[in-house]
Amino acid sequence: GQNIDQPTEMTATEGAIVQINCTYQTSGFNGLFWYQQHAGEAPTFLSYNVLDGLEEKGRFSSFLSRSKGYSYLLLKELQMKDSASYLCAVRDSSGGSYIPTFGRGTSLIVHP
Amino acid sequence: GAVVSQHPSRVICKSGTSVKIECRSLDFQATTMFWYRQFPKQSLMLMATSNEGSKATYEQGVEKDKFLINHASLTLSTLTVTSAHPEDSSFYICSARDRRGSSYEQYFGPGTRLTVT
Repeated sequence: GQNIDQPTEMTATEGAIVQINCTYQTSGFNGLFWYQQHAGEAPTFLSYNVLDGLEEKGRFSSFLSRSKGYSYLLLKELQMKDSASYLCAVRDSSGGSYIPTFGRGTSLIVHP
Repeated sequence: GAVVSQHPSRVICKSGTSVKIECRSLDFQATTMFWYRQFPKQSLMLMATSNEGSKATYEQGVEKDKFLINHASLTLSTLTVTSAHPEDSSFYICSARDRRGSSYEQYFGPGTRLTVT
């Protein structure tokens, strides 16, 4: 299985940049996902990293280092609507299931 | 884009009764659907993997006789919580994989809030 660790809560100011870290331990790494989840709603897909490096998509970027078991989600030009929980999920190929395991999520609070 | 619906969005039931939750892929065919449970401020916990035309695969610790899953067609999976108890109150979310898409794409439904009184 996987151990996925991410901060429980973060706060940031509107217009600023915030980096949400995720560390993991897995025996058969096969991709890392970031999802955004607003309270009472289902997660929405943000990014998928399987190779090392930075993937940029608009205001959101995601970085992966497989050797370090580390990823981060970078949010730029923060908006109030970015207040949500951000879930890191890791897919493991061992056992053949390829089903992601989710971390507890990081609750991001953006204030004016 | 791929859309997954769930019905009902909210349900309140009495202890001891059964509740059925439907998960539908609206514009694609899903050979595999997943059922998750999420308690407040907790992560999504995978309950079971539902494959069309075959028995569901349950995660360790999930009672298959309590959480009945049926995936009778390529667009519909149902989760029935039998003999519900207050501790079953949770947010239940399904997701589906498009059989034509890449293996990592997973589309989530909007979730069902179950409250057992």
